[in-house]
Amino acid sequence: EVQLLESGGGLVQPGGSLRLSCAASGFTFNNYTMSWVRQTPGKGLEWVSAINGGADKTIYADSVKGRFVVSRDNSKSMVNLQMNSMRAEDTAVYYCAKRGPGDYFDYWGQGALVTVSS
Amino acid sequence: EIVLTQSPATLSLSPGERATLSCRASQSVRYLAWYQLKPGQAPRLLIYDASNRASGIPARFSGSGSGTDFTLTISSLEPEDFAVYYCQQRSNWPPMYTFGQGTKLEIK
Repeated sequence: EVQLLESGGGLVQPGGSLRLSCAASGFTFNNYTMSWVRQTPGKGLEWVSAINGGADKTIYADSVKGRFVVSRDNSKSMVNLQMNSMRAEDTAVYYCAKRGPGDYFDYWGQGALVTVSS
Repeated sequence: EIVLTQSPATLSLSPGERATLSCRASQSVRYLAWYQLKPGQAPRLLIYDASNRASGIPARFSGSGSGTDFTLTISSLEPEDFAVYYCQQRSNWPPMYTFGQGTKLEIK
């Protein structure tokens, strides 16, 4: 059974940093691209970042480019999202998602709440 | 950048009725997926590649369309189907994934 479990959410001040992690199990982790997707109250779902199985290709949404960094540790089946220079508009529930055989997300975690506020 | 526009924003129906949700792309897309989102739960993949049901998804859910116009149909609504639905596509340039703004399916 595929499981994705996010951790590291919480309250952070504007301009601060936070690191999210996602522990994966139930599939051959290094074979799949992993993404982070966030849900904001006003904007619905927004894709944030993706990293391929070999960890040599990363892509980002324009809204986080230059501030967020995605990484993975295939030996531990974990994917991380380092969030820097955070803004109020980064407040959201952040989901870890596994890419399926095609251009879609077949499994998702339960989400981690991140609140950016002073 | 491809924009996905979903309509209607809110759909009010009763259990047993048929639901038709629309997703229109600003440019032709190759593949489209649909997700269901309920409060406090992980998003759930319903349909991939426009018309293929994901594993474990009931037959009352179906997807259709190609190019720029796509539809998610729920043939006979069950109480557990009232949720928010999103469509999603991936573009090669710029390399990114995009979601529609969502359709809230609520009980009438």
